[in-house]
Amino acid sequence: GQNIDQPTEMTATEGAIVQINCTYQTSGFNGLFWYQQHAGEAPTFLSYNVLDGLEEKGRFSSFLSRSKGYSYLLLKELQMKDSASYLCAVIHIGGYQKVTFGTGTKLQVIP
Amino acid sequence: NAGVTQTPKFRVLKTGQSMTLLCAQDMNHEYMYWYRQDPGMGLRLIHYSVGEGTTAKGEVPDGYNVSRLKKQNFLLGLESAAPSQTSVYFCASSHWGQGVDEQFFGPGTRLTVL
Repeated sequence: GQNIDQPTEMTATEGAIVQINCTYQTSGFNGLFWYQQHAGEAPTFLSYNVLDGLEEKGRFSSFLSRSKGYSYLLLKELQMKDSASYLCAVIHIGGYQKVTFGTGTKLQVIP
Repeated sequence: NAGVTQTPKFRVLKTGQSMTLLCAQDMNHEYMYWYRQDPGMGLRLIHYSVGEGTTAKGEVPDGYNVSRLKKQNFLLGLESAAPSQTSVYFCASSHWGQGVDEQFFGPGTRLTVL
């Protein structure tokens, strides 16, 4: 089976750095997505990791360790608009692109 | 490009009523998905399709049916709605075998079953 764990909620200060962790247990791992979801809106794609290491994209970076079943999303220079839920999603090997989503981490950015 | 669109955006049903949710994508994606999202549960896959004319069950398929008669459309049907089907429904689509293959989501349908 698949199991994905993320913290339920986090709070951080505008301008600061925050790290959102995700641990997973799965068979047939084939990559990991991070999505951002603002309240009442659809999830939007942030990043993709399939190999170990750090992927940087502007203020957002995502890290993966396949051996440890661990990923994190790093948000720098936090802005108020970064207040949203962040979903970790694991991609599984199979006949189609099967993706299992975590329950998400609700991030609140405060002044 | 409109991306992924969903119809309707909101709907209130009475127990036992039926309805169809429509998803359309203009990105020529092979794969399409229907998810439901409930508080504390995350996104759960209901049904998916790997191409025109194909459908398959996901994690929570009971009480739902789907059809994909055209590549760009994916329909989700509720034959006899139940209060447990109150949820936000998201449709998504993706390529396959072209690199990152992230899923693109529609804006969602908020369904309440009384």
